[in-house]
Amino acid sequence: AQSVTQPDIHITVSEGASLELRCNYSYGATPYLFWYVQSPGQGLQLLLKYFSGDTLVQGIKGFEAEFKRSQSSFNLRKPSVHWSDAAEYFCAVGHTGTASKLTFGTGTRLQVTL
Amino acid sequence: KAGVTQTPRYLIKTRGQQVTLSCSPISGHRSVSWYQQTPGQGLQFLFEYFSETQRNKGNFPGRFSGRQFSNSRSEMNVSTLELGDSALYLCASSLYRGDEGYTFGSGTRLTVV
Repeated sequence: AQSVTQPDIHITVSEGASLELRCNYSYGATPYLFWYVQSPGQGLQLLLKYFSGDTLVQGIKGFEAEFKRSQSSFNLRKPSVHWSDAAEYFCAVGHTGTASKLTFGTGTRLQVTL
Repeated sequence: KAGVTQTPRYLIKTRGQQVTLSCSPISGHRSVSWYQQTPGQGLQFLFEYFSETQRNKGNFPGRFSGRQFSNSRSEMNVSTLELGDSALYLCASSLYRGDEGYTFGSGTRLTVV
């Protein structure tokens, strides 16, 4: 069965600094990969997704992620963090080559200091 | 366009009772999925419906059930509530198979006392 690991439970960065959130997945073939963000008390918002093609994908709010098959990783990056980016970030993988029945990582909580 | 609407937003139930949660997907979306989010277990997939048929199911006991209506609206039901069912229940919709990514609602916060 597929799985997702987000090794960082909590990350603190200064506003204006760069950000990288790590995500490793376990799946034999090319997976459907997603990054979602959740603000307190809210649902999940899709930041970006990867199915195939260019391994560097651009998302909303200035986020990007790079798929690296050799490392089974799909890390999320942002060159300059804003205070409003403080939230919890979830990496997810679709079930057996589909985009549905998502398996989520445990999430990384991002704190932004001013 | 309107997003995914979940009702109610908050619910308090007593152990042993049953509860029904409702989800209205984005207009035109035919796939509806349900997830449970708890501090201990994180986000876990419950089930997915497409065209009134359950297409996928997670590893939850039979007390958790759902259905989808012809207008794509969905309900999930939890019978014989346990304290451990306290969670945020999230509904998500997509056009077909989620290739474009799922759009999530704000959730229903269920507290079992």
